[in-house]
Amino acid sequence: EAGVTQFPSHSVIEKGQTVTLRCDPISGHDNLYWYRRVMGKEIKFLLHFVKESKQDESGMPNNRFLAERTGGTYSTLKVQPAELEDSGVYFCASSRAVVGGYTFGSGTRLTVV
Amino acid sequence: SQQGEEDPQALSIQEGENATMNCSYKTSINNLQWYRQNSGRGLVHLILIRSNEREKHSGRLRVTLDTSKKSSSLLITASRAADTASYFCATDSTSGSRLTFGEGTQLTVNP
Repeated sequence: EAGVTQFPSHSVIEKGQTVTLRCDPISGHDNLYWYRRVMGKEIKFLLHFVKESKQDESGMPNNRFLAERTGGTYSTLKVQPAELEDSGVYFCASSRAVVGGYTFGSGTRLTVV
Repeated sequence: SQQGEEDPQALSIQEGENATMNCSYKTSINNLQWYRQNSGRGLVHLILIRSNEREKHSGRLRVTLDTSKKSSSLLITASRAADTASYFCATDSTSGSRLTFGEGTQLTVNP
């Protein structure tokens, strides 16, 4: 089966611009998660979708971040406007079951200059 | 709450030596997993150990779990330069499905 795919692999934008990250989960995986690692620190949870519904978005840092999963397939994470502290690696993961069995994508490295 | 705290934060060893990384957590867990991140890129799943298991092996990896101490260790034997990466433990708690990661250990294996 194809893995979790993330686009783009790397994005460099200026402060104040908008960036949209995309994640294509493994087909049939209802659970989709976004995580990020900023400034070389720990990897932090952002949010969890079950199909198209946001199950838990308690990790979203502020209202500049908007995640969607229309139709319960791929997901997008939009950052608008981007700030310098948003630089980092954004990971997406999907799973069939709620507990365990995560598959992570290769990540999107976001650089805000 | 902070969870999945790891030590050491950085570890530098010579090729062929063993590397041991430790992880502590605070809440009750279902599973504990170890991941590797190479050069700031994607996360690679290494091994999962369930809360009712005490030790697990996979190739050159050995993971232990002590739920009484809420700690785990990852041992990489006969290390190689290609093992150079950041290593993270991650837990999923009994109250939810999201993973909580530690800050990671940066392992450098010198050829």
